[in-house]
Amino acid sequence: EVQLVQSGAEVKKPGESLKISCKGSGYSFTSYWIGWVRQMPGKGLEWMGIIYPGDSDTRYSPSFQGQVTISADKSISTAYLQWSSLKASDTAMYYCVRLYGSGSYYSDYWGQGTLVTVSS
Amino acid sequence: DIQMTQSPSTLSASVGDRVTITCRASQSISSWLAWYQQKPGKAPKLLIYKASSLESGVPSRFSGSGSGTEFTLTISSLQPDDFATYYCQQYNSYLWTFGQGTKVEIK
Repeated sequence: EVQLVQSGAEVKKPGESLKISCKGSGYSFTSYWIGWVRQMPGKGLEWMGIIYPGDSDTRYSPSFQGQVTISADKSISTAYLQWSSLKASDTAMYYCVRLYGSGSYYSDYWGQGTLVTVSS
Repeated sequence: DIQMTQSPSTLSASVGDRVTITCRASQSISSWLAWYQQKPGKAPKLLIYKASSLESGVPSRFSGSGSGTEFTLTISSLQPDDFATYYCQQYNSYLWTFGQGTKVEIK
């Protein structure tokens, strides 16, 4: 069974750093792109970026380029999303997704989400 | 970026109703469109991919159609479990974009 299990909720202060994780299981982690999606409170879904754990090829949405860093450790089948300096506007639910397809990809499996709250 | 516009934003319907949600792309995306269902406090769930292909395990009352710039999601007979928010997503390129969502409420 394919599963994406994300790390738990975080409460941080503005300016702090953070790294959240997404562990894949039940499939070949290095053979599928992993993406991250943001959902701000009461709002819609925004795609942030993707990584191919097999070779760490990473691509970002222009809206998030330079704001976050996506990485992966294929030895432990885990992808990461990190911030070096959080802002209150980073408060949101973050989902990791597995991407399926060839050339064009959709999200067939989603993690349960990690709630990040940034408040002074 | 390709913009995705869903309509309506909110839809009030009764159990048993036929429901249609529309998604328009700002440029042609061929059939690279997916539909997701999200319930409060839960992660989205894939319903339809490649505009009209039903994901395994999804009830057959859900169907998708369209190509190019106009797409629809239809629920043939609305069930109590279907009250949720629905999102379309284009994946024509890796610069994916979602529609703003359609909330299906109980009438």
